[in-house]
Amino acid sequence: GAGVSQSPRYKVAKRGQDVALRCDPISGHVSLFWYQQALGQGPEFLTYFQNEAQLDKSGLPSDRFFAERPEGSVSTLKIQRTQQEDSAVYLCASSPDSTGTSFGPGTRLTVT
Amino acid sequence: GIQVEQSPPDLILQEGANSTLRCNFSDSVNNLQWFHQNPWGQLINLFYIPSGTKQNGRLSATTVATERYSLLYISSSQTTDSGVYFCAVVRSGGYQKVTFGTGTKLQVIP
Repeated sequence: GAGVSQSPRYKVAKRGQDVALRCDPISGHVSLFWYQQALGQGPEFLTYFQNEAQLDKSGLPSDRFFAERPEGSVSTLKIQRTQQEDSAVYLCASSPDSTGTSFGPGTRLTVT
Repeated sequence: GIQVEQSPPDLILQEGANSTLRCNFSDSVNNLQWFHQNPWGQLINLFYIPSGTKQNGRLSATTVATERYSLLYISSSQTTDSGVYFCAVVRSGGYQKVTFGTGTKLQVIP
């Protein structure tokens, strides 16, 4: 079946612009996660949804980062007033239960 | 939070060689996965292995949960095995928040 999809795959933003990154999880997956992966590093947790409820946003680096999943399926990660340090790959993942997590291909964000 | 350490951090192998990657974690887990991140950045799930041993072709993995470690074996390595291998765990008692290890960067040379 279809895996987790993300769009756009690549995004270049000028410093100060707002961006929106989209994630389509695997159909029926209750849990959805966003991760940030800086160059040469492992993925770092940003936020977690169970259906439409955002249960953990402890990893969001600042109040410029906002995530939503209003209908419990598609999710959007929004970054306001982008800064150069926001340049990274943003990974979305979904999970049905305790049997493992599937990751999307990521969105590579470059802030110039 | 839970700490996940992987070793070695870097590994260079001649094509055809075997290797063992290790993952140590600091707390009880109810989920452990091994991922391969290919040069294009895609995270490929290799094994879901909270305990026991599994094999898939040239790859196998063993997790000893009571001793808080997992091993990934790569036999007869190929150049396509190059990339970064991550161990990722979910701490017991929590939801499915995945904590990644530090990674092992593998380069297989012809």
